Amino acid sequence: QQQVKQSPQSLIVQKGGISIINCAYENTAFDYFPWYQQFPGKGPALLIAIRPDVSEKKEGRFTISFNKSAKQFSLHIMDSQPGDSATYFCAATLGGATNKLIFGTGTLLAVQP
Amino acid sequence: EAGVAQSPRYKIIEKRQSVAFWCNPISGHATLYWYQQILGQGPKLLIQFQNNGVVDDSQLPKDRFSAERLKGVDSTLKIQPAKLEDSAVYLCASSSDRTGHGYTFGSGTRLTVV
Repeated sequence: QQQVKQSPQSLIVQKGGISIINCAYENTAFDYFPWYQQFPGKGPALLIAIRPDVSEKKEGRFTISFNKSAKQFSLHIMDSQPGDSATYFCAATLGGATNKLIFGTGTLLAVQP
Repeated sequence: EAGVAQSPRYKIIEKRQSVAFWCNPISGHATLYWYQQILGQGPKLLIQFQNNGVVDDSQLPKDRFSAERLKGVDSTLKIQPAKLEDSAVYLCASSSDRTGHGYTFGSGTRLTVV
């Protein structure tokens, strides 16, 4: 199965709060799990990424938690700011000759001031 | 470094017309991708080039879509004839290696078919 399921579809968080977005996959051959941030009128931009041999990766206020046995991974945004308001996509790649990104359906995050 | 350039930014056409999109990847990036992003969905790969060769076009509707990457640099994606369901943002991305890690996306072309 080459799908990545993402939830929730939309999320409203107060400034300073924690935003949590979850993703799940079936294909254990996926070898790279990036998160992308997309602002209106712009292309997706790489935010943070993790490999399946690591359980957690943190970059500033953004953390990926990865549960290989459950085939789930999540993005945590600490101290959420209004400037974080965007659409977030989880994704996965299979590696090999074609490293196409398989995207989740996206989460629209709104951080209220 | 300059980003991935795409043009036009917006295009409105009638169904059954043809349209072409242009992409200039980051200099030196051998791998180029075209993705289709329908409103409310994640991007979906249409075609991947490695230099000027096609690596994956399994999800490209070849009866109406075509793409080329002459000289392994710029690329053009064409739709002929367009259908209403082709309304979407067409994103071009490039990467410097075959791993596909660290894609850089352009801002896309928003196509509306009426």
